[in-house]
This record gives sequence, structure tokens and C-alpha cells, in this order.
Amino acid sequence: EAGVAQSPRYKIIEKRQSVAFWCNPISGHATLYWYQQILGQGPKLLIQFQNNGVVDDSQLPKDRFSAERLKGVDSTLKIQPAKLEDSAVYLCASSKPLGGYSSGANVLTFGAGSRLTVL
Amino acid sequence: AQKVTQAQTEISVVEKEDVTLDCVYETRDTTYYLFWYKQPPSGELVFLIRRNSFDEQNEISGRYSWNFQKSTSSFNFTITASQVVDSAVYFCALREAQKLVFGQGTRLTINP
Repeated sequence: EAGVAQSPRYKIIEKRQSVAFWCNPISGHATLYWYQQILGQGPKLLIQFQNNGVVDDSQLPKDRFSAERLKGVDSTLKIQPAKLEDSAVYLCASSKPLGGYSSGANVLTFGAGSRLTVL
Repeated sequence: AQKVTQAQTEISVVEKEDVTLDCVYETRDTTYYLFWYKQPPSGELVFLIRRNSFDEQNEISGRYSWNFQKSTSSFNFTITASQVVDSAVYFCALREAQKLVFGQGTRLTINP
């Protein structure tokens, strides 16, 4: 099966500019996640969708970050305006529910990530 | 709150040596899942293993083995006879309900 697709792979912008990342999950995966991975750290969850709905966005900086998942398939993560500290890899992942969407057994499949550099 | 600690930031060994990556976790839940992921230089996180909190049986898959000890809240990962292709960053992760929390990762370098 095709993996999780993300674009662009690399993006360089100046602070205060805006940027958008796109993710196409594995077909049939109802749950989609956006993680932020700062250099030298583990991934941190920004937002989790179940179909169209948001399950968890408690760590999303809502004053500058937004995400949507129209039609329950593709998703877009936007940053506006960007700050220097937003430099990171933005990872998209998807999972197919096992035993219900809240099952902790879900295995996440990750995309290759979008590397953002803010100058 | 959930927490995952990977105390080893970097490990460097010579090829064919055995190496163990440590993972210690904190959770208040009795039902949870533990994972290991590998992140090669390409950047994509690759799933290695999942264990649930009720199954403390150790697991072996080829050169990889995992030791889950609930009494010490540890889920350690051992690579036997390491190879250069094992070089990557390895992440331990804990899932309670819907939230997956990662450790800081251990960068493993296998030198020829």
C-alpha cells in the first residue's frame, strides 16, 4: 500500500511569513496526526483528527497554527506568521483504528516529513 | 502525566557488538501501550514493535529483542550483532488512550 505522502519536503521562509504543509494519509486510515519534531527532540503531537473532527489539539499554538482535514482525507497544516522557533520537521501520520478509534493499540504510519527553516 | 525517558542521548559501537537502548516510562494508567520506532537519516519514523501493558513476555525478532519489565517501568531494546544499517535514531513511545508520547530518542551509530 502507498505510504503517507507529505509536501513540500523542504521549505525555507523568513520570520513573519506564512507556510502550509500538505498530507495525504494511507487510504482507509481514519485518524490523522500532525507532529512537530524540533532538532534533537522526540516528535510532539500538535493535532489529531478522527475523520473530519479534531480529537486533540491541546498542544497546537492556535494563535499562529491552524489545521484542517476537509472531507476526512487530506490535511493541511498552516503557520502564520512563522517564528524562528517554528523551525522543525513537521511529521504527518495516520492510523487505522483497531477495536475502536480510541484504541491505544493503533500503530501510526509516518510520512517522511516537511522540514521547515525559519530565518 | 505521561512521560518517556531515554537517558542515552547517543551511543556509538563497533559493528557486531550488542547494544541495548534504555527506555523508562511513567503513567498512572493500568492499560497502555509501548512502542519503539526507528528514524533513519531519511527522516521517516518506522514502526518496530508494540507491546500492551498486560503482556510482559519478552519478544525477539531476528537480531532485535525487547525486554518489558512493568516492575521497573522499563521497555528496553537490544540489537544483537549490530550492523551499520542499524545506525539511526530510535524512539520509545507510550500511548494512553489516544495520546502517543515520544521520548527524546537515542542516536545509535554503528561504526564499521
